[in-house]
Amino acid sequence: NAGVMQNPRHLVRRRGQEARLRCSPMKGHSHVYWYRQLPEEGLKFMVYLQKENIIDESGMPKERFSAEFPKEGPSILRIQQVVRGDSAAYFCASSPEDPDGPYGYTFGSGTRLTVV
Amino acid sequence: DAKTTQPPSMDCAEGRAANLPCNHSTISGNEYVYWYRQIHSQGPQYIIHGLKNNETNEMASLIITEDRKSSTLILPHATLRDTAVYYCIVRPYNNNDMRFGAGTRLTVKP
Repeated sequence: NAGVMQNPRHLVRRRGQEARLRCSPMKGHSHVYWYRQLPEEGLKFMVYLQKENIIDESGMPKERFSAEFPKEGPSILRIQQVVRGDSAAYFCASSPEDPDGPYGYTFGSGTRLTVV
Repeated sequence: DAKTTQPPSMDCAEGRAANLPCNHSTISGNEYVYWYRQIHSQGPQYIIHGLKNNETNEMASLIITEDRKSSTLILPHATLRDTAVYYCIVRPYNNNDMRFGAGTRLTVKP
């Protein structure tokens, strides 16, 4: 029973390029959440998705960032025209329909994005 | 916006109990208290959660005051591997997003 899988683990992009981060939730989980963690800071909520729907994107920057969770396949966090300030660890979490089960959210190991 | 207040850092001697406090004085009746921890730069790890009763699992105990305005996470026998940032979070039932505050950086010392 694999946990939340994120790939790649490390991603290096030059300024102006696009970054695509992938998250495969745990089997049976239908909710996905993305968080960003800047160096030496806490986790900041970005977006909450169910299959084919964005439920809450209040934490997403208004420009260059987008997220999707298609009917088939992983959730994708896309950052267009990356800048140095986008360098951070991006974590994905998933939960079942009822997140008040015994384990709450399950997090992946994160993608470390470095913009050079 | 986090609804919790935690001390920024704490130390604990190895083998002793670590008691991590959390203040959530504005908690509502339908909000759960969750605890997570993040070891170094790994993904956060779920520890325990509760509504109003005290809870215990293989990792920790959660003590919630009767008025629910504060709680304490207890690691009964801290080890060096428990050194991490511990996050206390309140979340309403039927609200599926979790907002993290700054947490408490626990350092377990030999």
